Amino acid sequence: DVKVTQSSRYLVKRTGEKVFLECVQDMDHENMFWYRQDPGLGLRLIYFSYDVKMKEKGDIPEGYSVSREKKERFSLILESASTNQTSMYLCASSPREGRGIQYFGAGTRLSVL
Amino acid sequence: GQNIDQPTEMTATEGAIVQINCTYQTSGFNGLFWYQQHAGEAPTFLSYNVLDGLEEKGRFSSFLSRSKGYSYLLLKELQMKDSASYLCAVRDTKAAGNKLTFGGGTRVLVKP
Repeated sequence: DVKVTQSSRYLVKRTGEKVFLECVQDMDHENMFWYRQDPGLGLRLIYFSYDVKMKEKGDIPEGYSVSREKKERFSLILESASTNQTSMYLCASSPREGRGIQYFGAGTRLSVL
Repeated sequence: GQNIDQPTEMTATEGAIVQINCTYQTSGFNGLFWYQQHAGEAPTFLSYNVLDGLEEKGRFSSFLSRSKGYSYLLLKELQMKDSASYLCAVRDTKAAGNKLTFGGGTRVLVKP
């Protein structure tokens, strides 16, 4: 079974803090993704990566950055957390070939106070 | 860009059938996915359509019409555990890295 692991289920941070969200997948997938999910807005893509050290902006990259130093690990960074970044963050991975099904982690619910 | 529409919420009775519609507009279609997401959990893959027609997998079926920009997910013999959100997602031919665009999701409530 594909396993996508996010480092924390719940996080509480203060405005202005630097926040790291970590994601690890064990299926040697080339592609990895970070989404945020908010009521009424669905899943929105923040950043994705299709190879080590490669990154592409998604639909809402402002206020975020990412790092992909190793194939299995994709980190989302909030340089200076703000209250409007309170959300559920979901990581996903997919193989480059085939149907390209994305497999999701359990999510991190981040609250910025 | 892409635009994906699906109803916000549907209610159905245990044992019945529910059909969740999804319409999309895309510059270049390369596959449509359905995911199930229970409250507080990760989305899990249900089905994939890239050609027109019906794909059946047990109690769940998914249909696609590319010319109409339309898909539906059919849930038969509803069970209480089917209460969840169902997400429609489309992949564009120009999308690098298997990037998907998701609709807002349809919350299905199954009542006894």
